Formats: sequence, C-alpha cells, structure tokens
Amino acid sequence: GPKVLQIPSHQIIDMGQMVTLNCDPVSNHLYFYWYKQILGQQMEFLVNFYNGKVMEKSKLFKDQFSVERPDGSYFTLKIQPTALEDSAVYFCASSSDRDNQAPLFGEGTRLSVL
Amino acid sequence: QQQVRQSPQSLTVWEGETAILNCSYENSAFDYFPWYQQFPGEGPALLIAIRSVSDKKEDGRFTIFFNKREKKLSLHITDSQPGDSATYFCAASGPGANTGKLTFGHGTILRVHP
Repeated sequence: GPKVLQIPSHQIIDMGQMVTLNCDPVSNHLYFYWYKQILGQQMEFLVNFYNGKVMEKSKLFKDQFSVERPDGSYFTLKIQPTALEDSAVYFCASSSDRDNQAPLFGEGTRLSVL
Repeated sequence: QQQVRQSPQSLTVWEGETAILNCSYENSAFDYFPWYQQFPGEGPALLIAIRSVSDKKEDGRFTIFFNKREKKLSLHITDSQPGDSATYFCAASGPGANTGKLTFGHGTILRVHP
C-alpha cells in the first residue's frame, strides 16, 4: 500500500546545530503533518501543512521550528538551533482530502541531541 | 490536561481470547476516532476508525464500540494472535474535516501469549 517515507531514520546532532528531517508523503496526499513522540509517551501534534502553508501549530512547535515543501519535493521539518529537549522520534504523516481519512504515518526519525 | 485516556496501560491475554482496550475522551467536539497499532521501532499504522455518528465499526477481528453519551469507546480484538502484540493508541480529532490533527492517548501495550 501507499507509504510515507522518512529520511534519515536516525540523526545524532550536537546541541545548537541545525537539523532537517525529511519526509516523502504519499503522492496524492494534500495534507502533511509532523508529530513528536518522546520515549514512553504518547504522540503529540506539532503542525499541519496544506497548500504551501502552515494551517495550525501546537505550543510544542517552537520558534526554532519551521516546515516547508519546496516545489513538491520533500516535506521538511527544520530545527535551528536544536536543544536537548528536542530529542525524540519525529513522525511525518499525510492524508488526502477525500473521505476525511486518518493520516498515514511514516516510520519516524529518531533525533538525538547531545 | 489529558484529553484522551486509555486503559489498561498494559494487557496480557492468551492466544484465542478477546482483548478489550478502553478509551475515553473529554472534548465533546471530537467526532472521529482512529485506532493505531504500533510495533517497536515502527510508525503507527492505522487499524480501524469510527465516526461519532456510529456506535459500532467492525473490520475482521477488530471492532470498535462507541458510546457518545459517556464519551467512551473500546477496541475489541477477537481471537487474539501473538502477532497482535503491540502498542495500541486511541486517537481523536474534530470537529470537521481536519481529521489529521489527532490527540493521542498514552497507549495500551498488548501482549498475546501463545
């Protein structure tokens, strides 16, 4: 079936550096999301993106975070600068406009900020 | 404030038994409830979903029972198999078409013993 791909699967970075997490959503999907999951806790909504714009963001989506999808390529989450508390698994998800279906999730990128 | 609650935190059943996973929510505006299955190291996979206009949704061995008045729902897994061992997340969204902005519970860890 259709899949959301995330690259890389694991990223280790020093605190203060910039990191970009990449997501290749399902090809005909129009809505894109990022979620954050800290080990042992539930997944939490960060942001959703539609038609080139951020539609809604949560309080977890700090000023250091940004998202974009330039020219229909990867949907990216950029964190600049990173902080220790950004260590988590970040899940990308996408959904179509049809039938208001629940989003499909990728396998996640584990971000370790040292 | 935890808007979506799941119980039990963990559940162990024998192969062939019915596993019952519970979920409750606080926000009356929630109208769409997907359940996700997550194996270690993987992303959550959509299992089954229900809208608040229905009180039951069935898909093979998986059934959601929904009680709108009490703001409760449950996932029943009949004839449980060892391969069903995973973490199950109840999620909620609404109102309206933005079904991708999900509020997740903390999950129930299901273990099925052969």
